[in-house]
Amino acid sequence: NAGVMQNPRHLVRRRGQEARLRCSPMKGHSHVYWYRQLPEEGLKFMVYLQKENIIDESGMPKERFSAEFPKEGPSILRIQQVVRGDSAAYFCASSQGSGSSYNEQFFGPGTRLTVL
Amino acid sequence: GNSVTQMEGPVTLSEEAFLTINCTYTATGYPSLFWYVQYPGEGLQLLLKATKADDKGSNKGFEATYRKETTSFHLEKGSVQVSDSAVYFCALSPSYSSASKIIFGSGTRLSIRP
Repeated sequence: NAGVMQNPRHLVRRRGQEARLRCSPMKGHSHVYWYRQLPEEGLKFMVYLQKENIIDESGMPKERFSAEFPKEGPSILRIQQVVRGDSAAYFCASSQGSGSSYNEQFFGPGTRLTVL
Repeated sequence: GNSVTQMEGPVTLSEEAFLTINCTYTATGYPSLFWYVQYPGEGLQLLLKATKADDKGSNKGFEATYRKETTSFHLEKGSVQVSDSAVYFCALSPSYSSASKIIFGSGTRLSIRP
């Protein structure tokens, strides 16, 4: 059973460009979470999605950031008009969701975004 | 609100030394508690967890006990190895039964010298 997949693993963008990060959850998982890790810091929650719904976006910056988890295909974290401060590692996690007594989150390997 | 405070690093130990990384938390209700490990250039792996007071999580020689009276979840290992060198994150999830975000501490970098 493949784990959480993220691509690309490394992404370089120039200031003002758009970044698209993809996350494919584990098979059978319907809940996806995005976290950001700035250099030498812990992970900070950004957004939690179920299929076609945003459940909790309390950690998302108000501008330039958006996330979706369509009925078919991977979850996408989109950053418009990137700035140097967006340089970070972005981790996706997935969990099984309803039917589990405990919703353990499994993490992907991350996408390391560098903004030049 | 919910938060996690853990011992600042870096921590450097010799092989076979005893390890303690302190972690305390603030939470309403009955959170689940975790330790995650991150090896260089990799994502996070769940090391151990505890879902209620007095539970002890254990894995690969590491242990941590959920202490509600002291709001702590300290990580311990009796004899560390070079391969344990990594960054360790203490974390909590506010709800045991419902899917929700995880709140992480800032991480403790551990280096083990041969």
